[in-house]
Amino acid sequence: GAGVSQSPSNKVTEKGKDVELRCDPISGHTALYWYRQSLGQGLEFLIYFQGNSAPDKSGLPSDRFSAERTGGSVSTLTIQRTQQEDSAVYLCASSLSKPAYNEQFFGPGTRLTVL
Amino acid sequence: AQSVSQHNHHVILSEAASLELGCNYSYGGTVNLFWYVQYPGQHLQLLLKYFSGDPLVKGIKGFEAEFIKSKFSFNLRKPSVQWSDTAEYFCAVNSEYGNKLVFGAGTILRVKS
Repeated sequence: GAGVSQSPSNKVTEKGKDVELRCDPISGHTALYWYRQSLGQGLEFLIYFQGNSAPDKSGLPSDRFSAERTGGSVSTLTIQRTQQEDSAVYLCASSLSKPAYNEQFFGPGTRLTVL
Repeated sequence: AQSVSQHNHHVILSEAASLELGCNYSYGGTVNLFWYVQYPGQHLQLLLKYFSGDPLVKGIKGFEAEFIKSKFSFNLRKPSVQWSDTAEYFCAVNSEYGNKLVFGAGTILRVKS
C-alpha cells in the first residue's frame, strides 16, 4: 500500500516569502505529525493532529508557522515570511490512533531552502 | 521536558565488527523507546521498539536493544555489521501518554567494506 507522501520534495524560496508544504498520510491513520530536521540535529516535533481533536501545537517555533488538516486526512504546513533559519527538511509522519503505542511512518520529507 | 542524548555523532566500523550505539533519555515516568534508521536516500523507518516486558528487544536486520531502566538507557547493538548497515540511526522516546516522539541528534554509521 501507499506510504506517507509529501510534496514538494524540494522547495527553494526567497526570504520573506510564504511556503506551503503538503502531507498525505497513510489511509486509515488518524494521527499525523510534522517534524523538522535541521542539519546536524535530530528531529524536532512541530505539531500533532489526532482525529477531530484540537491539535497539539506545542512544538511550533513561532507564529509564522501554522498547520491544518482537512477532512482528517491531508495536512498543510504553512510558513509565513520565511527566514533563513527555517531552512531544513520537514518530515510528516502518520500512525494509527494512540501515538504512544503505535509506530510512526515517515514520509520522504520536503527540503526547504530559504535564500 | 524529555530529552534524548546519543553519545556518538559519527561511528566508522569495518565489516564484521560489533556495534553498540548509546542512547540515554531523561524522563522519570513510563516511557516507550524506539530506534529509527535512515538509509541513504530513504525514509526514516522503524528498527525496533520497546513498550514493556522483556527489556531485550530484537528488531529487523539482526539489531537488538536493551532497556536498562536504572541507567535511563536504550543502547542499540549488532554483533556483526555489514556494509549495508551504513545509515543514520536515531533513538527516540515517547512518554506513556505522549503525543510526540523526542529524538536524539542521530548517529551516522559508516561501515567500511
